[in-house]
Amino acid sequence: QQQVKQSPQSLIVQKGGISIINCAYENTAFDYFPWYQQFPGKGPALLIAIRPDVSEKKEGRFTISFNKSAKQFSLHIMDSQPGDSATYFCAASLTGGYQKVTFGTGTKLQVIP
Amino acid sequence: GAVVSQHPSRVICKSGTSVKIECRSLDFQATTMFWYRQFPKQSLMLMATSNEGSKATYEQGVEKDKFLINHASLTLSTLTVTSAHPEDSSFYICSARALTDRGGGYTFGSGTRLTVV
Repeated sequence: QQQVKQSPQSLIVQKGGISIINCAYENTAFDYFPWYQQFPGKGPALLIAIRPDVSEKKEGRFTISFNKSAKQFSLHIMDSQPGDSATYFCAASLTGGYQKVTFGTGTKLQVIP
Repeated sequence: GAVVSQHPSRVICKSGTSVKIECRSLDFQATTMFWYRQFPKQSLMLMATSNEGSKATYEQGVEKDKFLINHASLTLSTLTVTSAHPEDSSFYICSARALTDRGGGYTFGSGTRLTVV
């Protein structure tokens, strides 16, 4: 019930291309879906997040698409750059108070020139 | 924005000794902080929830006597790895959110790389 499944495990994209990472969740009570970016040796940093009352959220080159009925959400990175090379984690949690965050397994993205 | 400072960033200790890791919220107060452990090429594994002024809540399988957590103030939580062994070598990360933040997102510290030799 608490799992968040993430795919692919790794991804290689050409510079300027679109990177797409997918996640699926089980617990329909989750109401907050963030994406975190982590560089080697650093803690994760919040990239973008969405709530289930909207189907899409865009911030610069990063877009989250959310499908509530399918219990799936995805991150799209447009015009991918070498500096985007990092590990990306999707996550899900409940809002209200301090709630545990359930993380996906992570996707290592490599953007090649 | 919210900043969480974690110290030290790297520590090497001898087997059998104890190591203390600090997690501070620099510009906000947090009654709750979370401690994670991350193995190479793996996701974050929640170890415990640190509660200001009360006992921490540990996840199943995490030894509370080995991983001592103290949350003495609204801006500081510490994780002490006691009698460390090589298998405790890992990347430890804390996270926190401001009391007044209803947004849902957490800020993470920069992590502590612990190597037990």
